[in-house]
Amino acid sequence: KAGVTQTPRYLIKTRGQQVTLSCSPISGHRSVSWYQQTPGQGLQFLFEYFSETQRNKGNFPGRFSGRQFSNSRSEMNVSTLELGDSALYLCASSLTPSSNTQYFGPGTRLTVL
Amino acid sequence: GESVGLHLPTLSVQEGDNSIINCAYSNSASDYFIWYKQESGKGPQFIIDIRSNMDKRQGQRVTVLLNKTVKHLSLQIAATQPGDSAVYFCAENIPNTGFQKLVFGTGTRLLVSP
Repeated sequence: KAGVTQTPRYLIKTRGQQVTLSCSPISGHRSVSWYQQTPGQGLQFLFEYFSETQRNKGNFPGRFSGRQFSNSRSEMNVSTLELGDSALYLCASSLTPSSNTQYFGPGTRLTVL
Repeated sequence: GESVGLHLPTLSVQEGDNSIINCAYSNSASDYFIWYKQESGKGPQFIIDIRSNMDKRQGQRVTVLLNKTVKHLSLQIAATQPGDSAVYFCAENIPNTGFQKLVFGTGTRLLVSP
């Protein structure tokens, strides 16, 4: 069974631009969570989607948003990029929201110049 | 991909030694705990988990111990191998109306010398 896939793997943007990252969960998994990983803050929870609905949200500004499609694939969007948004963005999938075990993708490395 | 911070605690061991990585978690209501391993350029990889109604769980070469009294979690790796070199994160699930919210520790870098 294929693991979680994320595209693109690397991205370079400039301040003020917006970016969309994509995540395909493990086949059969319906819950997708997003995390931001930085050297200073570690792994921080962004949001979780299930059945095309955001079920849980971390403490990030409204510039960070996401959505989930009927096939469970998810996208996250960051608008008006800031230098501090440079990070590794990780997607994790699980069978359902109550299935605690999450399986991570390789991440998208975003660099904001 | 970068998986470590500038001030990550580091554990250095020799190949064949047993390693113990510790983690203090934050919320006494947390009901589920996971250890992840993250190698450079990769996302976190599930190692082992434990529910709060247990105090010990064993996997292949790994054992997780949970002490709820002092909110402490440890990961023991037997006969550590160079391939075990990575950053290890503990994560706690804080109950939230049945949906997931994993809170991760800062991580510990394990360096295994041949």
